[in-house]
Amino acid sequence: ETGVTQTPRHLVMGMTNKKSLKCEQHLGHNAMYWYKQSAKKPLELMFVYSLEERVENNSVPSRFSPECPNSSHLFLHLHTLQPEDSALYLCASSQVSGGAPHEQFFGPGTRLTVL
Amino acid sequence: GNSVTQMEGPVTLSEEAFLTINCTYTATGYPSLFWYVQYPGEGLQLLLKATKADDKGSNKGFEATYRKETTSFHLEKGSVQVSDSAVYFCALSDEETSGSRLTFGEGTQLTVNP
Repeated sequence: ETGVTQTPRHLVMGMTNKKSLKCEQHLGHNAMYWYKQSAKKPLELMFVYSLEERVENNSVPSRFSPECPNSSHLFLHLHTLQPEDSALYLCASSQVSGGAPHEQFFGPGTRLTVL
Repeated sequence: GNSVTQMEGPVTLSEEAFLTINCTYTATGYPSLFWYVQYPGEGLQLLLKATKADDKGSNKGFEATYRKETTSFHLEKGSVQVSDSAVYFCALSDEETSGSRLTFGEGTQLTVNP
């Protein structure tokens, strides 16, 4: 595997289900991100992990719970979601060093549908 | 705060036409600027970048120049192909030590017809 991978690619869940999205980066990066992409809206940054520590949570509802067990893996745990949470969830990674902005590398996304 | 404004789409062109997608930004400090492309069913891929004023990023025939005086980073290509059909996102990254924050524009859908 190379780059950033995400599983599953598609997920349909009911509002009472609990599911998890998985992201893995094979680039040796030290920062990982979750984004939400909804139709006709800009990408929304949800969470940032740097050196396995959460450094940003952009007012995301508690029904979304991230987990970063190591620098290569990132999870997004989902429970009691709403239909408006249906979107493409994108994971990204980057290398952070000394304040210089580096580009982020994205996975293919998980298309989530909440019924 | 930071913001990115992109030309509204969708944009429809014929093959070999000239492409411009406008992008302007508002930022404190000296951000880096990026163009990402998203092909159908895929995640975002970095197309090109520029890290300081007057830098020109280029890749696959696309170009964009970092213009500090007009706070712009317009994307151009001289002759588009059908395979360029995708959504294009302009983004900026501010200088942070704890993760690069990308601020994205809303994206511009490009369709190139044969």
